[in-house]
Amino acid sequence: KAGVTQTPRYLIKTRGQQVTLSCSPISGHRSVSWYQQTPGQGLQFLFEYFSETQRNKGNFPGRFSGRQFSNSRSEMNVSTLELGDSALYLCASSLVPSGGPTYEQYFGPGTRLTVT
Amino acid sequence: EDKVVQSPLSLVVHEGDTVTLNCSYEVTNFRSLLWYKQEKKAPTFLFMLTSSGIEKKSGRLSSILDKKELFSILNITATQTGDSAVYLCAVVGSQGNLIFGKGTKLSVKP
Repeated sequence: KAGVTQTPRYLIKTRGQQVTLSCSPISGHRSVSWYQQTPGQGLQFLFEYFSETQRNKGNFPGRFSGRQFSNSRSEMNVSTLELGDSALYLCASSLVPSGGPTYEQYFGPGTRLTVT
Repeated sequence: EDKVVQSPLSLVVHEGDTVTLNCSYEVTNFRSLLWYKQEKKAPTFLFMLTSSGIEKKSGRLSSILDKKELFSILNITATQTGDSAVYLCAVVGSQGNLIFGKGTKLSVKP
């Protein structure tokens, strides 16, 4: 079974630009969560999508948004990039039985975003 | 506020040593605690501990959960250089998302 895939793997953007990251979950997994990982803050939860609906949201500004498609693939968008947005962005998928809590999340390799 | 604290932040040992990594947590309505291993890229799932499963073992790795004292430990026996990684502890938060600790960076020297 293929794992979680993320594209692109590396990205360099300039302040003020916007960026879209993509995540394809493990086949059959309906929940996709996004995390930002930085050396100082560790792994921080951005949001979770389930059945094309945002189910949970972390404490990030509105510049961070996402969506999920009917095939469970998800995209994350960051607008008006700031230097502090430089990070590893990880997505994780999980098999959610009947909309239960999202345990055992499986992570993709991440997208390394550098903002200059 | 839900939170997870791991200790130590980093650890250097020699091959063959046994190590114990600590994770304490505060969360409303505890459901589960998870351990991950992160090398260069994606965290890989190790264990999940719940109220009904407070001890897990896989090869040289084992973990226990103390729900009364609100902590978990991850033990690695007979360490190998391949065990070098950051070990992450997470709990399922009150909204169902994972809340991670900052991790313990383990370096195993030959």
